[in-house]
Amino acid sequence: GDSVTQMEGPVTLSEEAFLTINCTYTATGYPSLFWYVQYPGEGLQLLLKATKADDKGSNKGFEATYRKETTSFHLEKGSVQVSDSAVYFCALMTTDSWGKLQFGAGTQVVVTP
Amino acid sequence: DADVTQTPRNRITKTGKRIMLECSQTKGHDRMYWYRQDPGLGLRLIYYSFDVKDINKGEISDGYSVSRQAQAKFSLSLESAIPNQTALYFCATSGLAGQETQYFGPGTRLLVL
Repeated sequence: GDSVTQMEGPVTLSEEAFLTINCTYTATGYPSLFWYVQYPGEGLQLLLKATKADDKGSNKGFEATYRKETTSFHLEKGSVQVSDSAVYFCALMTTDSWGKLQFGAGTQVVVTP
Repeated sequence: DADVTQTPRNRITKTGKRIMLECSQTKGHDRMYWYRQDPGLGLRLIYYSFDVKDINKGEISDGYSVSRQAQAKFSLSLESAIPNQTALYFCATSGLAGQETQYFGPGTRLLVL
């Protein structure tokens, strides 16, 4: 079945450091890929997405590129801020999943001043 | 006002009690979802509904039931709560296309004693 694997947290960084969160997937067909973010005490919100191979999603300084050859969708940000402290979820949706998302386990990121 | 609201935000109940979690949305979306979040497991789909007359089981529906009272309302019930249903529960909505963003409510934190 479809699955998403992402690196375990917590990831602790200093402000202005470079952030990478690895995400790989297994899916039949050609999934759309997503990164959702959950700030403390809140629900999830879409951070970025990519719907086909080689697409790059970007938002708020975060980027991720859909790599079909390595089945990956790693999240990166060049200079993190304390306000980026959150839990980040990688997710996929396949064309035959009827709109259902398959989530990874989530990666907690803690940014210290 | 929030587009997706959940009530209650926090609930403590005892084993064997019946409880209902409610979700309302003002986005005009047809599709609604219930997820539970557990540490290290990400979000798992409990039930989903594509319209008022369409209800489907998700990955972990045992012990839960749902009701779609209207396009804007989707309730989750635990008929006889048990301690391993202690979790954070999220409601989400999405538009018809199936590839669109899911919008999440703020979550209900449930503790079953």
